[in-house]
Amino acid sequence: SQQGEEDPQALSIQEGENATMNCSYKTSINNLQWYRQNSGRGLVHLILIRSNEREKHSGRLRVTLDTSKKSSSLLITASRAADTASYFCATGGNKLVFGAGTILRVKS
Amino acid sequence: DAGVIQSPRHEVTEMGQEVTLRCKPISGHDYLFWYRQTMMRGLELLIYFNNNVPIDDSGMPEDRFSAKMPNASFSTLKIQPSEPRDSAVYFCASSEGLNEQFFGPGTRLTVL
Repeated sequence: SQQGEEDPQALSIQEGENATMNCSYKTSINNLQWYRQNSGRGLVHLILIRSNEREKHSGRLRVTLDTSKKSSSLLITASRAADTASYFCATGGNKLVFGAGTILRVKS
Repeated sequence: DAGVIQSPRHEVTEMGQEVTLRCKPISGHDYLFWYRQTMMRGLELLIYFNNNVPIDDSGMPEDRFSAKMPNASFSTLKIQPSEPRDSAVYFCASSEGLNEQFFGPGTRLTVL
């Protein structure tokens, strides 16, 4: 079974708006990673947050982690059409287990 | 660096045929992973290697699937005989230790 489950399954927003995606997982973790996949391409690593971190930033990305609730969120601020992609959370160290992903569509 | 290289990018074959997918990881990376992605099952880890040694192949669906890593710069995933349900996108990824994984562009396999 999948370790991480993203919510929502799909999200459609206007360019310039913020997009928030959530991930819930089942077991204890050392770190949680977020990846992006553009249509027809491989996954691209976005950010890794360790279990002792609560928040991490990278450019327009903000990731939070709540280990007590076994959940994480990915916020993309000031979205652009180029952010249109599927976003996955993954846990498990080297044996990563990916969630089903959130499909984000940013309309220009 | 050119990133993770996979070949072929597309493969169309008939049921029963042997299929070989190839991967060249990023130089210096000591972990290599093979994944399969389908609409129904999402992204699944098939097998991963550390320093060319298979560590966990529990995700390999059945004996028709095999993977090798003869050296640090090359790995293959073989399906023999192939079946229509093997149709999927197969990704290879590599990493340096317990860090982010770098994915290749994938091989889209269609088994007729």
